[in-house]
Amino acid sequence: DVKVTQSSRYLVKRTGEKVFLECVQDMDHENMFWYRQDPGLGLRLIYFSYDVKMKEKGDIPEGYSVSREKKERFSLILESASTNQTSMYLCASSFSGYSSYEQYFGPGTRLTVT
Amino acid sequence: AQTVTQSQPEMSVQEAETVTLSCTYDTSESDYYLFWYKQPPSRQMILVIRQEAYKQQNATENRFSVNFQKAAKSFSLKISDSQLGDAAMYFCAYRRYKDYGGATNKLIFGTGTLLAVQP
Repeated sequence: DVKVTQSSRYLVKRTGEKVFLECVQDMDHENMFWYRQDPGLGLRLIYFSYDVKMKEKGDIPEGYSVSREKKERFSLILESASTNQTSMYLCASSFSGYSSYEQYFGPGTRLTVT
Repeated sequence: AQTVTQSQPEMSVQEAETVTLSCTYDTSESDYYLFWYKQPPSRQMILVIRQEAYKQQNATENRFSVNFQKAAKSFSLKISDSQLGDAAMYFCAYRRYKDYGGATNKLIFGTGTLLAVQP
């Protein structure tokens, strides 16, 4: 079974704090993704990584950064958390290439910034 | 740019009945993938069914089937014999077929349809 795990299910942080969300996958996938899920907006891509140390901005990268030092691990960083970053964060991974249609998702981290 | 639209924020179905969730999309490409993902209350998103645009035959997975109308850019999900475990948020998603690398691999999601199953 493919497994994508996220470090926390629920997280409460204060405005201005630095926040780390971690994601680990065990399927040797090249691609890893961070999405943000908000009611009425669906899922929006924050950042994407296609290899170790390689990253690309998604649709809403402002206020976020990422790190991928090992193939299995992809971290999302909020340098200075703000209340408008209160949301559900979903990590996903997939193989690359034409047949890499399926993305496997983690359980999500519900982040509240107060 | 590609877009995906789900016009039904919420739907309800009686147990054992059939329900259809709607999805439309916009793209100028001829080859692509379409997906339905299910997100139960526990939040782990799982793939329900996929459709390759070059295939004319509608995909089927047990009680789940799609009605893919390429010319109309419509991709609806039919759930037959609904069960209580089908209650979830359902997302329609699009992905380009060709791997241009980078974030072109991304899934483009609709806003979701929350399905309730009444006993």
